[in-house]
Amino acid sequence: EPEVTQTPSHQVTQMGQEVILRCVPISNHLYFYWYRQILGQKVEFLVSFYNNEISEKSEIFDDQFSVERPDGSNFTLKIRSTKLEDSAMYFCASSDSWYNEQFFGPGTRLTVL
Amino acid sequence: GIQVEQSPPDLILQEGANSTLRCNFSDSVNNLQWFHQNPWGQLINLFYIPSGTKQNGRLSATTVATERYSLLYISSSQTTDSGVYFCAVVVSGAGSYQLTFGKGTKLSVIP
Repeated sequence: EPEVTQTPSHQVTQMGQEVILRCVPISNHLYFYWYRQILGQKVEFLVSFYNNEISEKSEIFDDQFSVERPDGSNFTLKIRSTKLEDSAMYFCASSDSWYNEQFFGPGTRLTVL
Repeated sequence: GIQVEQSPPDLILQEGANSTLRCNFSDSVNNLQWFHQNPWGQLINLFYIPSGTKQNGRLSATTVATERYSLLYISSSQTTDSGVYFCAVVVSGAGSYQLTFGKGTKLSVIP
């Protein structure tokens, strides 16, 4: 069964460093999303992406964040200068249309020291 | 924005018991999904159910869109059912396709 994959599963970084989180969406999906979950809290939307551009972003998704689809299979989230409060689980998701089911990857746990 | 309220916030069950989790939402939706977050933090898709009823093994879900609620039924619970169950929705007609999550129901199934 097709699934969304994410790498790495866990990343530890120093405050101020750049990190890139990687995702491989389901192959025939065209709509991509990033969400995050701070420990013990609910899952929050960051950004959606379609046709090589951002469709929607939340207040959380400030200039520190960027997304890219560098090739036909990968979808990345970059955090330019990490802060302690960026420590969270980051989930990638994909869907075949805007209102259909969003399929989530297993997440990347980011720890900023 | 849309409000998504889940109840109860915490639930402790004896293995073998049945349970019903509820999700209320404050606006019309085009998408409603139920997830199980396992102890490793992974979000497992359970149901995509903007309306109607679906069943998958011991789990079933019903969404009554006109009354703005959804129910997740777990029958004959097992310890592996433990974790947090999230409901998430996409508001219809708002031009936004993000899933808005509730705070979850934390389920503990004890042997």
